[in-house]
Amino acid sequence: KQEVTQIPAALSVPEGENLVLNCSFTDSAIYNLQWFRQDPGKGLTSLLLIQSSQREQTSGRLNASLDKSSGRSTLYIAASQPGDSATYLCAVGHSGSARQLTFGSGTQLTVLP
Amino acid sequence: DVKVTQSSRYLVKRTGEKVFLECVQDMDHENMFWYRQDPGLGLRLIYFSYDVKMKEKGDIPEGYSVSREKKERFSLILESASTNQTSMYLCASSSTHGAPDFGPGTRLTVL
Repeated sequence: KQEVTQIPAALSVPEGENLVLNCSFTDSAIYNLQWFRQDPGKGLTSLLLIQSSQREQTSGRLNASLDKSSGRSTLYIAASQPGDSATYLCAVGHSGSARQLTFGSGTQLTVLP
Repeated sequence: DVKVTQSSRYLVKRTGEKVFLECVQDMDHENMFWYRQDPGLGLRLIYFSYDVKMKEKGDIPEGYSVSREKKERFSLILESASTNQTSMYLCASSSTHGAPDFGPGTRLTVL
């Protein structure tokens, strides 16, 4: 059974700092990997999707990498801002009929002004 | 943009009540999902469906059932609500090869 781990559970950084969030998974036979953002009491917003054949994806100040062989992904956030404060969730997509996801428990990020 | 809507943002029910959570998507997606989210446990898949009238158990189906009579609607049913089903419930939908889009969530409290 796939297990997804995110470390640390919480992170606090000063504004302007570059930071890396980590995600690891136990089974490398994945279909894709996705990073989400969740604001308190809200649903999930998709940030980046990396297909299993890709190594990285970029969107603005965000860059996500994928190393299937080692079972790791990182989300790099450049020049962090207070508006980046949220919980970031990593999810691994399965190869099954509905491409269902297995989620990590998230990293709660606080960017201090 | 894909829109996934959930019937209620907040719901309070009593132990033993039958509870229906409704989810509707407007983008003709084949796949629909129900997750629950609890602190420290992340999102866990309850049930999913890849076609009308089709359903598959996820990781934690016990105490829940689902219904998908129409492509756009996926209902989660708690036959007899219990306090340990107090949680945030998130619905999602996706096309065959697309990433899922999530609804805003329903925070259910069972007293």
